[in-house]
Amino acid sequence: KAGVTQTPRYLIKTRGQQVTLSCSPISGHRSVSWYQQTPGQGLQFLFEYFSETQRNKGNFPGRFSGRQFSNSRSEMNVSTLELGDSALYLCASSSLKTGGNTGELFFGEGSRLTVL
Amino acid sequence: GENVEQHPSTLSVQEGDSAVIKCTYSDSASNYFPWYKQELGKRPQLIIDIRSNVGEKKDQRIAVTLNKTAKHFSLHITETQPEDSAVYFCAARGGYQKVTFGTGTKLQVIP
Repeated sequence: KAGVTQTPRYLIKTRGQQVTLSCSPISGHRSVSWYQQTPGQGLQFLFEYFSETQRNKGNFPGRFSGRQFSNSRSEMNVSTLELGDSALYLCASSSLKTGGNTGELFFGEGSRLTVL
Repeated sequence: GENVEQHPSTLSVQEGDSAVIKCTYSDSASNYFPWYKQELGKRPQLIIDIRSNVGEKKDQRIAVTLNKTAKHFSLHITETQPEDSAVYFCAARGGYQKVTFGTGTKLQVIP
């Protein structure tokens, strides 16, 4: 079974640009969540999607957005990039059931974004 | 919303000794508490989890304890080995709520 795949793995952008990151979950997983990882800040929750609907949203500015497609693949977009957006962006999928989730998160390897 | 605090931020132990990492949470509705291990340059992976109807769970050299009254849970690693060196994250979740992670503990096992 293929794991969670994130693309691109590395990217460099300049301030003011925008970026789109992609995540393909494990086959059969309908829940996808996104996290920002920076040194000392741990894993900051961005958003979670289930069946194309945003179920939860973290405390990030509106520049951060996401979506999920009918095949469960997800994308996140960051507009008007700032230096502080430099981070590792991790995607995770889970076999979320409609009754709630206490299941394991399977993480991708992440997309490392550097903003210059 | 949920707030998870994790201590210590760094921990150094001699090989063979035990390591304990502690977390507290704020939302009494949280009922699922996983622990993830992230080795350098790799993705986080689940190592053990506990649900609110259980007080303790063991898996070989690792164990997790949960005190719902005090709202804290701990990871215990016995007979530590160099390959246990990593960053460990605790987390809490309840129902449809988002998973909230602690800030991580960097464990160094000294051979």
